Amino acid sequence: AQSVTQLDSHVSVSEGTPVLLRCNYSSSYSPSLFWYVQHPNKGLQLLLKYTSAATLVKGINGFEAEFKKSETSFHLTKPSAHMSDAAEYFCVVSVSGNTPLVFGKGTRLSVIA
Amino acid sequence: DAGVIQSPRHEVTEMGQEVTLRCKPISGHNSLFWYRQTMMRGLELLIYFNNNVPIDDSGMPEDRFSAKMPNASFSTLKIQPSEPRDSAVYFCASSPTVLRSYNEQFFGPGTRLTVL
Repeated sequence: AQSVTQLDSHVSVSEGTPVLLRCNYSSSYSPSLFWYVQHPNKGLQLLLKYTSAATLVKGINGFEAEFKKSETSFHLTKPSAHMSDAAEYFCVVSVSGNTPLVFGKGTRLSVIA
Repeated sequence: DAGVIQSPRHEVTEMGQEVTLRCKPISGHNSLFWYRQTMMRGLELLIYFNNNVPIDDSGMPEDRFSAKMPNASFSTLKIQPSEPRDSAVYFCASSPTVLRSYNEQFFGPGTRLTVL
């Protein structure tokens, strides 16, 4: 069975400083991994996805994530936080199309002016 | 494409009433998922369909909840009778194919349900 652990429930950064949201996964097979973002009172939007191609994945709004198999990690980063990045972020794993996505519990990102 | 469409966006009802939430997936998508999101429990998968057939409903809380997908372009989630603990945001999501693991899910805007 696969699972996802988001190591921080809340991260607070100052505007213009780097963002790091941590995610570790567990999977018996080669997984696909995703990061979704949810802004207040909105639905979930895909930020980026890893599908066994390049291990460094670039997404929208300047975010990127690196798949590290040896560490079973898929951390999300951004060089410089913007106020509009304040949202809830979900790390997600999928093993096969016949099983649903497995969501982490989310990390709430606060950006301080 | 209009994306996944959910209606209503907000629903306020009284305990004991029947509630029906509706979802129109993205055209051509084979899979449809219903989720519930609360502060206490986070995002929970309730049920999902592949090619209009329910595959796994183990996440449905109890018999008061039912879901149908009569055709490829429409699904409903019904709660009868509703209870205050059902208050949550209900999301519908669709995905392009059944077999390929790297197809992400596309989420609707959600229905915020309040049961008084």
